[in-house]
Amino acid sequence: NAGVTQTPKFQVLKTGQSMTLQCAQDMNHEYMSWYRQDPGMGLRLIHYSVGAGITDQGEVPNGYNVSRSTTEDFPLRLLSAAPSQTSVYFCASSYSGNRGYEKLFFGSGTQLSVL
Amino acid sequence: KQEVTQIPAALSVPEGENLVLNCSFTDSAIYNLQWFRQDPGKGLTSLLLIQSSQREQTSGRLNASLDKSSGRSTLYIAASQPGDSATYLCAAPSGNTGKLIFGQGTTLQVKP
Repeated sequence: NAGVTQTPKFQVLKTGQSMTLQCAQDMNHEYMSWYRQDPGMGLRLIHYSVGAGITDQGEVPNGYNVSRSTTEDFPLRLLSAAPSQTSVYFCASSYSGNRGYEKLFFGSGTQLSVL
Repeated sequence: KQEVTQIPAALSVPEGENLVLNCSFTDSAIYNLQWFRQDPGKGLTSLLLIQSSQREQTSGRLNASLDKSSGRSTLYIAASQPGDSATYLCAAPSGNTGKLIFGQGTTLQVKP
């Protein structure tokens, strides 16, 4: 199994450009989420989804858009990139058991620089 | 709103020492808590998941405990090795939402 796959691994954008970070999982997980990791700020939740067609905001949703049309894919869109969005982005997924969300599996990350 | 704090932010120990990493959370109505490891430039790997009904969970030299009443979890690493050097993070859910909130992590260095 591939687990959680993120593409691209590295990306450089100019201010105002748009792009989509891709995330796919092959574990049939209901729960998927996007985090950004910044020095001194830790991991902060951007958006999450508890199933196809259902998304919700995390701690820092502004400037980002998501959709969940299939169980496998959860893309993150930057509509107009800003230097403040320079960060490392992680996608994660989890099985949703009776007792809540279980072990979280992470992708390898996308390092994004906005100039 | 769930807030997760990890102390200390960094820790350096000689090889062979037993050590404890701390994680505290403000909302004790959690259904589980997870501990992760992150190596430099890499993603996170889940180490241990403790359900709310459990008090401890063990994997090899790692033992995690959970005390919901005090809002604390600890990760105990026995007989530390240089290969244990990494950043360790804990994460707790926020209420009944799908939000999993992370602490800022403890960066561990084990010196040979």
